[in-house]
Amino acid sequence: LAKTTQPISMDSYEGQEVNITCSHNNIATNDYITWYQQFPSQGPRFIIQGYKTKVTNEVASLFIPADRKSSTLSLPRVSLSDTAVYYCLVGRLYNQGGKLIFGQGTELSVKP
Amino acid sequence: GAGVSQSPSNKVTEKGKDVELRCDPISGHTALYWYRQSLGQGLEFLIYFQGNSAPDKSGLPSDRFSAERTGGSVSTLTIQRTQQEDSAVYLCASSLVKGGGNSPLHFGNGTRLTVT
Repeated sequence: LAKTTQPISMDSYEGQEVNITCSHNNIATNDYITWYQQFPSQGPRFIIQGYKTKVTNEVASLFIPADRKSSTLSLPRVSLSDTAVYYCLVGRLYNQGGKLIFGQGTELSVKP
Repeated sequence: GAGVSQSPSNKVTEKGKDVELRCDPISGHTALYWYRQSLGQGLEFLIYFQGNSAPDKSGLPSDRFSAERTGGSVSTLTIQRTQQEDSAVYLCASSLVKGGGNSPLHFGNGTRLTVT
C-alpha cells in the first residue's frame, strides 16, 4: 500500500495560489492519485483525481511528474472558504482488495 | 441525487454499552468503507466491503468492533462494550466500482460517538 506524506499545515492569504505537495514514493503502477477536502463536522469531499501529467477541473489542478512519486494540488486564487484539511490518497479499488489508506492531511488556513 | 446517509448523527453512550451505527450508501455503489476519525486526527481505515466478496477487516482495532452489510446495500458498524477511547467520528463512504479508471469515494457526514 502506498504511503503518503504531506505537510501538516499551510497558511495563505485570499487571492493567492496555493500548492500542496504529496509524496508517495512507492506508488504502484495501477494506483490513482485522488485529493479530498474536509471541512469541520463533514465527511471528506472529492476534489480531483489523476494518473499522470496534469488534470484540471473547475476547482483545482493536479500536477503529476513522470515518475509519479509525488503530486501537487494547486488551488487558484483561494478564498476564506477554502480553509479546510486536504488529503492525498493513493490507491485503486481493484488493487489488492481495494483498501484505501489516508495520510494525515494538510490543514490549510486562508487569511483575509 | 441522494448521497451517503449515516445515522444517528450523534450518539452518546455509557461505557460498557453496545452501539450500532448505520450507513446507507449511494444506490448502486458496490464498495463501502468505514473509517474512524478522532478529534484533530486523520482518517483511520476500519473495514471495506466490495460486492459479495469477504470484507477486508484488517483495520478493525479490536474484536469489540464488527460490521456487516446486508443485501449489498446498508451497512451496520457495531461496537460492543464501548470504551472511552472509542469516542470519535465514524465515517462511511461508498464508491461505484467499474472497469477502468478509479471511482472516488463519496462520504457521509459521519456519526459522532461520545462514550462517557
